[in-house]
Amino acid sequence: KAGVTQTPRYLIKTRGQQVTLSCSPISGHRSVSWYQQTPGQGLQFLFEYFSETQRNKGNFPGRFSGRQFSNSRSEMNVSTLELGDSALYLCASSFYGTSYSYEQYFGPGTRLTVT
Amino acid sequence: AQTVTQSQPEMSVQEAETVTLSCTYDTSENNYYLFWYKQPPSRQMILVIRQEAYKQQNATENRFSVNFQKAAKSFSLKISDSQLGDTAMYFCAFSNSGGGADGLTFGKGTHLIIQP
Repeated sequence: KAGVTQTPRYLIKTRGQQVTLSCSPISGHRSVSWYQQTPGQGLQFLFEYFSETQRNKGNFPGRFSGRQFSNSRSEMNVSTLELGDSALYLCASSFYGTSYSYEQYFGPGTRLTVT
Repeated sequence: AQTVTQSQPEMSVQEAETVTLSCTYDTSENNYYLFWYKQPPSRQMILVIRQEAYKQQNATENRFSVNFQKAAKSFSLKISDSQLGDTAMYFCAFSNSGGGADGLTFGKGTHLIIQP
């Protein structure tokens, strides 16, 4: 099976712009989670989607949003970018329905730099 | 809210030695899941091992094993016969039993360096 894929891998944006990141989960996985990784704050949970519904969201401002499509692919959007949004954005997928639903498999990440 | 603490920011051992990474957590839940993830320089997060809180038996995966002490809320990772490829950041993570919707809570990580 192919792993979790994320596009693009690297991105440079200017303050005030918006950005959309994409994530394709492992085939058959219906849950997609997003995380932000920074040197200062570490790994932080952004939100999780299952069957096109956001089930939970971490402590991030409303500028961070996401969605999930019927094929389980997910996108996250950050509007009005700030310098502090520079981070590695990781997507993870899991198969929901068994005790193994809690195992999350990560993609390679998107490195976002805001200048 | 759950918290995960990794008290060792960095560790360095010689190849072939055994090393133990520490992790403690705080939760009021009775059922939950614990994980160790490895993040090498490539930044790809790799699942190393998982432990269900309701299982008393410690999980093992080849050279990797855990010491899960539920009462002490401790979840350490032991790497036996360490290899150069084990050099990476290691993150301890917690997930409650809410169907995975709440996401993972991560510790700050331990940078493990395996010296030749």
